[in-house]
Amino acid sequence: GAVVSQHPSWVICKSGTSVKIECRSLDFQATTMFWYRQFPKQSLMLMATSNEGSKATYEQGVEKDKFLINHASLTLSTLTVTSAHPEDSSFYICSASRQGREAFFGQGTRLTVV
Amino acid sequence: DAKTTQPTSMDCAEGRAANLPCNHSTISGNEYVYWYRQIHSQGPQYIIHGLKNNETNEMASLIITEDRKSSTLILPHATLRDTAVYYCIAAGNQFYFGTGTSLTVIP
Repeated sequence: GAVVSQHPSWVICKSGTSVKIECRSLDFQATTMFWYRQFPKQSLMLMATSNEGSKATYEQGVEKDKFLINHASLTLSTLTVTSAHPEDSSFYICSASRQGREAFFGQGTRLTVV
Repeated sequence: DAKTTQPTSMDCAEGRAANLPCNHSTISGNEYVYWYRQIHSQGPQYIIHGLKNNETNEMASLIITEDRKSSTLILPHATLRDTAVYYCIAAGNQFYFGTGTSLTVIP
């Protein structure tokens, strides 16, 4: 299957700071990228969908000013958690897909806010 | 996207076939059935997908009923490394995850 790389794999940051997570599709051009959040023992929750060159579409209840998504190219999307707080600590996962095709997932980023 | 219903957990003996069911009775005509699995603390791994025909690849087989309201993922010879949470998704352009089935392969 196609390869989607996320960086970093884990990050610890202080409360009030911002953290950027990168998601790259390494061997295909992703027209759409998705960002998910997963809390312990729970399923993945879709946060937002982004298409290259356009604004992301956020799911209900997800603060777009707190979770900034940029999808500047067909191979890169970034998620920035602004002014992070301990309750933002979670496992963040991205996925990428070509138009109407299966999505491939990154390995995830474990964010811990202290 | 259509909601899917899966059993919470299943056990399977190593070397035997694992059959994981999924109900997606509200699936629409343009939605595919996708299967992913997630091993603890990793991103989901794509397994297989289909629209209405049965599909097979090197990992698994997917059997979709004629009315498309349910499907079964078959792992032909389960190994211990197949222990994971398996998610069935009925999706058009977006992928919403349900609670999945926690499959435990027993030695």
